[in-house]
Amino acid sequence: EAGVTQFPSHSVIEKGQTVTLRCDPISGHDNLYWYRRVMGKEIKFLLHFVKESKQDESGMPNNRFLAERTGGTYSTLKVQPAELEDSGVYFCASSQESNSATDTQYFGPGTRLTVL
Amino acid sequence: DAKTTQPPSMDCAEGRAANLPCNHSTISGNEYVYWYRQIHSQGPQYIIHGLKNNETNEMASLIITEDRKSSTLILPHATLRDTAVYYCIVRAYYNQGGKLIFGQGTELSVKP
Repeated sequence: EAGVTQFPSHSVIEKGQTVTLRCDPISGHDNLYWYRRVMGKEIKFLLHFVKESKQDESGMPNNRFLAERTGGTYSTLKVQPAELEDSGVYFCASSQESNSATDTQYFGPGTRLTVL
Repeated sequence: DAKTTQPPSMDCAEGRAANLPCNHSTISGNEYVYWYRQIHSQGPQYIIHGLKNNETNEMASLIITEDRKSSTLILPHATLRDTAVYYCIVRAYYNQGGKLIFGQGTELSVKP
């Protein structure tokens, strides 16, 4: 069974440009999460989808970030326009259930974003 | 904010048991203890979780104190590949949609 995949693995862009990150969850997982780690900080939650609906977007830093999950399968996270402080590693995770403290989230390898 | 406290770093000799402590003194009755680890340049990896009983799987054992205010993750025979940052996370049933709240974790170095 394929795990969570993310594309691209690395992205280097200039300040002001737009970048779109993609996440493909494990097949059959309704729940999809985005997290990120910026330099020197902890991994922070960004948002949570249940199928195509946003369940919790309390971690989204500002309106330059837009996440979508059309059709409830893969998800994209767009940063427009990118700023220097957006540099970091963006992780995606998926799980089968969310209304349970025992559903396990499986993480992808992350996308390393560098904004110059 | 994370509800757990972990030592920032630990060393362990290869082949020996690694015992990673975690304090969660404010844990509530419906909150589970989860452990994840992050090996360099990879995504976090699930290890184990528990509520109040000790748990064991193929990767590790989790020992939770009777008062549930602390726990220990045990890697019984640490290998060099276990070098990683280990995160102890407290997570509630119906926890705000299921998000994980990571702290700083413990950086475990397994040495030959």
